Amino acid sequence: GESVGLHLPTLSVQEGDNSIINCAYSNSASDYFIWYKQESGKGPQFIIDIRSNMDKRQGQRVTVLLNKTVKHLSLQIAATQPGDSAVYFCAEAGRLYSGGGADGLTFGKGTHLIIQP
Amino acid sequence: DAGVIQSPRHEVTEMGQEVTLRCKPISGHDYLFWYRQTMMRGLELLIYFNNNVPIDDSGMPEDRFSAKMPNASFSTLKIQPSEPRDSAVYFCASSFLSGFGNTIYFGEGSWLTVV
Repeated sequence: GESVGLHLPTLSVQEGDNSIINCAYSNSASDYFIWYKQESGKGPQFIIDIRSNMDKRQGQRVTVLLNKTVKHLSLQIAATQPGDSAVYFCAEAGRLYSGGGADGLTFGKGTHLIIQP
Repeated sequence: DAGVIQSPRHEVTEMGQEVTLRCKPISGHDYLFWYRQTMMRGLELLIYFNNNVPIDDSGMPEDRFSAKMPNASFSTLKIQPSEPRDSAVYFCASSFLSGFGNTIYFGEGSWLTVV
């Protein structure tokens, strides 16, 4: 079936370095993607989103890149800080934002980002 | 602004008991979602509502699970009877579909342990 998956379960980076978290998706009908951050004991928190007609979107210290050719999504975090330590999920929505009804979101397994001091 | 509010935050119950999880979505949101999170399966969509009407419950594990949304500001997820394999974090989330960037906001979760 269709799925969204993450390449690496754990990513360890030095504080101040840039982080890149990758995600592969298989549903070619997906037209909207979201990155969530989940800290220990809390619910997923929205970071940034991107629609399929875009290749790149930037936020504050974060950038999402979308490569539809290879069905790949990445989240770049600039100058990582201790507060960035969390599990990061990519999620995709097929019909949710296309007027065809809401399917909710399909989440990947998550990548645990660890910031080394 | 108050976010999605869930209760209880933590519950420990014995196998066979009924469990009721509660959710108050963000005011004005017209979609409400129930998710379950486990280490093995990650985040799974159980059911979602649009304007209080259940739209898709295909993710509900079995008949022991039921969800209701009697009004726009309240929803429940009930497990009866509960089993140890139901132990998980249950998240409620809400959204308002009005164009691009319709973020789905999650509550803090209800941590359920069935012993």
